[in-house]
Amino acid sequence: GDSVTQMEGPVTLSEEAFLTINCTYTATGYPSLFWYVQYPGEGLQLLLKATKADDKGSNKGFEATYRKETTSFHLEKGSVQVSDSAVYFCALSRPYGSSNTGKLIFGQGTTLQVKP
Amino acid sequence: DVKVTQSSRYLVKRTGEKVFLECVQDMDHENMFWYRQDPGLGLRLIYFSYDVKMKEKGDIPEGYSVSREKKERFSLILESASTNQTSMYLCASSIVRQGALEQYFGPGTRLTVT
Repeated sequence: GDSVTQMEGPVTLSEEAFLTINCTYTATGYPSLFWYVQYPGEGLQLLLKATKADDKGSNKGFEATYRKETTSFHLEKGSVQVSDSAVYFCALSRPYGSSNTGKLIFGQGTTLQVKP
Repeated sequence: DVKVTQSSRYLVKRTGEKVFLECVQDMDHENMFWYRQDPGLGLRLIYFSYDVKMKEKGDIPEGYSVSREKKERFSLILESASTNQTSMYLCASSIVRQGALEQYFGPGTRLTVT
C-alpha cells in the first residue's frame, strides 16, 4: 500500500543554517505530494504541495521538488529562523477522482528545533 | 480564510465514558476527516465523510464512530473510552485545488482517558 517515510528527528540547527528534511514515498501512479507544518499547540497547516513529476512547491522560503525517479519530495530552506521550529509532515494523496480520493497518507513527522 | 474549529482543546474523561468530539468548518467543504496523532506514528485516519450522512472507515476505526447530520459538522464518538484512546485528535476538511485535495486542519483536541 501507499506509504511515506521521513527522516527521524529531532533536527537541531542554528539560525541561518541550511535545512533539508528527507521524504520518500511508495505509491503507484502519480500521487500528489504535500508538506504540512505543525507549530506548538496548533493544528497542521499546508506549507506547500506538488501535483506532478518535476513540479517544485514553494512557500515562506521553503521548497520541495517532486522527483518521480527517486520517489522523493525533500523539504529545503536556505536559511532557517527560530520561528521555523515546528514539526514537519510529508504526505501524499491519490489524484482526485481515483480510489481513496482525498485520503492523506502521512509520514511520522520530523521535529525541527532552531536555536538562536 | 478557511476555519475549522473543534469543540475543546483539552478534555479529560474516565474509562468507560461516552465521549463526543465536535468539529465545524465554515467553508461548505464536502469532505471531512478525523485523525489521531501519536508520537512516532504521525497521523492516522479514523473516519472520513464525503457528504452528509455518508461515512467511511479509515485505517483505525475500531472503538470509534462518527456522525455527520449537517454538512458543516462532523462528530467523532468514543462509545466507551479506554486509556489507549488517550491522544491528540485532529479534524480536517478539504477542497480540490489545482487537481489535488488540500486538507485544512482544526487546532486539535488533546484527550486524556484516566
